[in-house]
Amino acid sequence: NAGVTQTPKFQVLKTGQSMTLQCAQDMNHNSMYWYRQDPGMGLRLIYYSASEGTTDKGEVPNGYNVSRLNKREFSLRLESAAPSQTSVYFCASSENSGGTEAFFGQGTRLTVV
Amino acid sequence: QKEVEQNSGPLSVPEGAIASLNCTYSDRGSQSFFWYRQYSGKSPELIMSIYSNGDKEDGRFTAQLNKASQYVSLLIRDSQPSDSATYLCAVNYSSASKIIFGSGTRLSIRP
Repeated sequence: NAGVTQTPKFQVLKTGQSMTLQCAQDMNHNSMYWYRQDPGMGLRLIYYSASEGTTDKGEVPNGYNVSRLNKREFSLRLESAAPSQTSVYFCASSENSGGTEAFFGQGTRLTVV
Repeated sequence: QKEVEQNSGPLSVPEGAIASLNCTYSDRGSQSFFWYRQYSGKSPELIMSIYSNGDKEDGRFTAQLNKASQYVSLLIRDSQPSDSATYLCAVNYSSASKIIFGSGTRLSIRP
């Protein structure tokens, strides 16, 4: 049982490049989330999808876009990467948006130079 | 005001003692509360969830919730070196279907 799988695990981008972080879950969860984690900042919500077909902005959405491709997959796109987007990115899923806990992927460490 | 607030620490506790971690939140309508543990370089993992006022115990861990005071805490009894980690408080804002995390408290258990 893989749970939540993120790809890639590591990535180095040059300023201005674009990339998509992929996330897939095999737990039949309805809700999915993208967070970023910077030192001393905890986890900050970028975007979330309460259910298939819906997406909403979180705390720090600027510079990102998301796509809920189907129930399993939720991707995060950086259109024009900036050094301020250097961070560890976590994807998570939960059974529903009504109060169940989130399960996390292993994270993507992104460096923008 | 941040939606979920925690003391960043570090909190240093002697082995065998009780570690007490605290969290406050701003949305009175929140119904679900979680404590996660995160080791350095790893993903957060769920320790406890709590939904009702009062205490919830699981082994050495006790979560406490006071909705009137908008306060959640985690007690770790008989602290072990393996408990050294960052502890993240999370709140499900049911009005917006999102889970918001605090900035985490770094806990260090000293021998």
